[in-house]
Amino acid sequence: QVQLVQSGAEVKKPGSSVKVSCEASGGIFSTSAITWVRQAPGQGLEWMGGTTKNAEKFQDRVTITADESTRTAYMELSSLTSEDTAVYYCARVYGGDFFNYMDVWGKGTTVIVSS
Amino acid sequence: EIVLTQSPGTLSLSPGDRATLSCGASHSVSSSFIAWYQQKPGQAPRLLMYGTTNRATGIPDRFRGSGSETEFTLTITRLEPEDFAVYYCQQYGYSPLTFGGGTKVEIK
Repeated sequence: QVQLVQSGAEVKKPGSSVKVSCEASGGIFSTSAITWVRQAPGQGLEWMGGTTKNAEKFQDRVTITADESTRTAYMELSSLTSEDTAVYYCARVYGGDFFNYMDVWGKGTTVIVSS
Repeated sequence: EIVLTQSPGTLSLSPGDRATLSCGASHSVSSSFIAWYQQKPGQAPRLLMYGTTNRATGIPDRFRGSGSETEFTLTITRLEPEDFAVYYCQQYGYSPLTFGGGTKVEIK
């Protein structure tokens, strides 16, 4: 059974970048199978992208990569503003297909952007 | 972008009640590409349903999904105490993948 373990909480200054990691344990790891979703405080879920495609909203600011040798995916978000304060989740896309549901989720990484 | 609108925003019910949650899509979505997730406070979302009607592993049969094209429904036939949570629908047929705004099912 795949489990996704995310890196710890971050506090960042406006204008800086944050890089969140997501390590998969158990099961088969595919670099195309990890996607990222964020949730601002008290808000709903917002898809950010995966290794093969990003949401247009984040196109210029997000870099999503994955390393099969370490079974770890990364999401780096640049030019942070207070609106990027959120919990960032990695999730496995079933079957490694971009257009599919998310069947395993990490516990989330809190990112706070504050001066 | 396909916008998903969930209603109602909040559902106040008692254990044992039937819950009916709606998810409307701005454009037609194949029923193969609709999922539902449950989220409890301080926890990550959990997959409940996929392909509109298929329950994820370990999900009890009191959860039932239905719908087509632009109208989808999640029904919880008899609410258990652990079912009080926020529920999100999602479409994964078109990029960007989108979620509804959520329906909170709270104890009356």
